[in-house]
Amino acid sequence: TQLLEQSPQFLSIQEGENLTVYCNSSSVFSSLQWYRQEPGEGPVLLVTVVTGGEVKKLKRLTFQFGDARKDSSLHITAAQPGDTGLYLCAGDSGGSNYKLTFGKGTLLTVNP
Amino acid sequence: DVKVTQSSRYLVKRTGEKVFLECVQDMDHENMFWYRQDPGLGLRLIYFSYDVKMKEKGDIPEGYSVSREKKERFSLILESASTNQTSMYLCASSLPPTDTQYFGPGTRLTVL
Repeated sequence: TQLLEQSPQFLSIQEGENLTVYCNSSSVFSSLQWYRQEPGEGPVLLVTVVTGGEVKKLKRLTFQFGDARKDSSLHITAAQPGDTGLYLCAGDSGGSNYKLTFGKGTLLTVNP
Repeated sequence: DVKVTQSSRYLVKRTGEKVFLECVQDMDHENMFWYRQDPGLGLRLIYFSYDVKMKEKGDIPEGYSVSREKKERFSLILESASTNQTSMYLCASSLPPTDTQYFGPGTRLTVL
């Protein structure tokens, strides 16, 4: 069974601070996705990374896929209260059934 | 925009009742998924379907069944609801070959 470990589980910071969330596994994934889930809503895709070593930027969010495609990180610069939410990473191991393995998430709270 | 809708945002049922959760997607996606989300446990896959009338068990299928009679609709059935099935239920869909999953807003089910 493939597992994705996310850390930290909880993170509470002040507006303007930077933060990094990690997603680690002992398994190789063909791609890895990051989702954000706001309270009372379903997760929404932020980004998909496919190539080992890939870095993608989405405004103040920077996503990196590890060279070995076993881990990923999400860095937020100058966090804002609107960034508050549950951040989930999800890995695709390949194959034909398109199931994703989800991490348990990092609950981020950005205080004004 | 992909839209995934779920029949109820909140539902309260009694132990032993039969419960139907409905999910509809409007983008002709082939794959549909049912998850439950619990604090500290993350998203856990209950069942998924890759075609009409096709279904596969996920990680926690016990106590649940599913139905997919039409491509756009995927139903989750709790044959005899129990208190340990109190949870947030999320439906998702995806279109091969991409693995991006589009989620509905969720149904928060309480079994008394």
